[in-house]
Amino acid sequence: EDQVTQSPEALRLQEGESSSLNCSYTVSGLRGLFWYRQDPGKGPEFLFTLYSAGEEKEKERLKATLTKKESFLHITAPKPEDSATYLCAVESNYGQNFVFGPGTRLSVLP
Amino acid sequence: DSGVTQTPKHLITATGQRVTLRCSPRSGDLSVYWYQQSLDQGLQFLIQYYNGEERAKGNILERFSAQQFPDLHSELNLSSLELGDSALYFCASSVESLAGLNEQFFGPGTRLTVL
Repeated sequence: EDQVTQSPEALRLQEGESSSLNCSYTVSGLRGLFWYRQDPGKGPEFLFTLYSAGEEKEKERLKATLTKKESFLHITAPKPEDSATYLCAVESNYGQNFVFGPGTRLSVLP
Repeated sequence: DSGVTQTPKHLITATGQRVTLRCSPRSGDLSVYWYQQSLDQGLQFLIQYYNGEERAKGNILERFSAQQFPDLHSELNLSSLELGDSALYFCASSVESLAGLNEQFFGPGTRLTVL
């Protein structure tokens, strides 16, 4: 069964304090790994797609990386507006299955 | 704004009732996905339609059904509602990329409250 776990469950940072979020996955044939940002009560907002180990993608203060078993979302010099829940999801090669992780709730304090 | 629209934004109903949630995908997207998000369960994939045909099924209850119409909008029907069905219901759409990956863009959601 495909599974996605994320750690930590919650993270509190001071503005400017860089850190990383982890997404570990078990999937029968990874087709793609996705990162989303979700604000309370709103729909997830697409950030990145990664589909091969070693791949990296960047957008503003965020950088996503992928290995064969996990992905990291690095946040450099975060600002309060980066506060949100960050979701990781995987798509399997088999059965078009989409599995989301439980998310990491990030708070960036001014 | 993702370009995906969902109606209604809020829905309050009673146990045993039936409701219909509506979704319009982004222009050009052929795939529509439905998700349920509750506080204790996270985001759960329910079902996917591609150009009118069911393509993938997740943890969708038998009391729930969906369809995608020729104009590509989709409806999720929830019947015999229970208190535990209270949740946010999201629709997402995607166009398959050359790599065959489905980058999904989510709508604002419908908040369903069952009393």
